[in-house]
Amino acid sequence: QKEVEQNSGPLSVPEGAIASLNCTYSDRVSQSFFWYRQYSGKSPELIMSIYSNGDKEDGRFTAQLNKASQYVSLLIRDSQPSDSATYLCAVNFPGGGGNKLTFGTGTQLKVEL
Amino acid sequence: SQTIHQWPATLVQPVGSPLSLECTVEGTSNPNLYWYRQAAGRGLQLLFYSIGIDQISSEVPQNLSASRPQDRQFILSSKKLLLSDSGFYLCAWSGTNYNQPQHFGDGTRLSIL
Repeated sequence: QKEVEQNSGPLSVPEGAIASLNCTYSDRVSQSFFWYRQYSGKSPELIMSIYSNGDKEDGRFTAQLNKASQYVSLLIRDSQPSDSATYLCAVNFPGGGGNKLTFGTGTQLKVEL
Repeated sequence: SQTIHQWPATLVQPVGSPLSLECTVEGTSNPNLYWYRQAAGRGLQLLFYSIGIDQISSEVPQNLSASRPQDRQFILSSKKLLLSDSGFYLCAWSGTNYNQPQHFGDGTRLSIL
């Protein structure tokens, strides 16, 4: 069974703080991992892709991947109220064909003033 | 750049009526195409994916069907809608190379009465 697990939250952080969102997955040989942001009532928007162990930074976002622990995380620095959304972790499990992704159910982030 | 169009944005249909949702992609050729459903407060459920014209794979048995009559056109259909078909329907595309992310359209919110 190919699974992607996320804490549903809500995760509440004060404005300006670092938000840490976590995701675990079931297949050790997975090669590609994605973070999507979904505002209420809107479609998911790709914000980060990561393929290698370690950190990948893009602006205020940092994705971290540890394949040995089957763990991927997203850090949001200097959190803003506009970051309040649900964050979806997605994994491309090998052998699925057609670049299919398995999504977690998402973590709701609330950034409070 | 690539864009994905999905329509209509909202739809209210009676139980037992037919359904046709359309999605088109611009700016790329031979994309992989996907249909998802997201029930209220739930994760993304992959319904169908396609790697080429008339090549459709179904992920979940149901009363829905999909077709791909042209390279960049993907259609989701039903002959008779059920109450359980309510949800947020999302079309997505990806490149064909392995490990490509998916990019979503704006979605169709379907309510069944």
